[in-house]
Amino acid sequence: AQSVTQLDSHVSVSEGTPVLLRCNYSSSYSPSLFWYVQHPNKGLQLLLKYTSAATLVKGINGFEAEFKKSETSFHLTKPSAHMSDAAEYFCVVRKSYNTDKLIFGTGTRLQVFP
Amino acid sequence: DADVTQTPRNRITKTGKRIMLECSQTKGHDRMYWYRQDPGLGLRLIYYSFDVKDINKGEISDGYSVSRQAQAKFSLSLESAIPNQTALYFCATSDLGTKQETQYFGPGTRLLVL
Repeated sequence: AQSVTQLDSHVSVSEGTPVLLRCNYSSSYSPSLFWYVQHPNKGLQLLLKYTSAATLVKGINGFEAEFKKSETSFHLTKPSAHMSDAAEYFCVVRKSYNTDKLIFGTGTRLQVFP
Repeated sequence: DADVTQTPRNRITKTGKRIMLECSQTKGHDRMYWYRQDPGLGLRLIYYSFDVKDINKGEISDGYSVSRQAQAKFSLSLESAIPNQTALYFCATSDLGTKQETQYFGPGTRLLVL
């Protein structure tokens, strides 16, 4: 069965410092993986997705994630945090190869301090 | 981006009441979904619909029902609301036909059951 584990429920960084949000996955097939962001009182917005093409995936707002099969990881990074990055981030895996049903991680809340 | 809209945005109701949450989309997608979000649990799938005549239960469908009135409209009903249905509810759409594998979310409905 497919699953994702977000290793940190909260991450705090200072503005201008790097961001690392960790996600490990479990999948019995080559997975499709996503990162979504949820700003306060907003819906979820797709940041980026991996669907078996390039292992380093670039997304919106300067975020990127690297698919590492050997480590079963899909960590989200950004070189320099902005105040506007403060939000909740969800790592997501597609449930199986022949469906678009998604399995969500429990979320990581990112705080950015001035 | 108002491609997926949800009404109401906030709702307070009492135990035992029947309520309906509505979702509309202008993206022309065939597939629509209802999720609920609880703190620390991520999003869980309640129901999904691949077209007007195809409705399927998700992980947590007990106590809920849905209606797909048209391609663009997908309503979620709580037959007899109970306090543990207090949550944030999201509607989403996707178009797997284009192999995009991306779900687009509405802004959410915050429901409080007293």
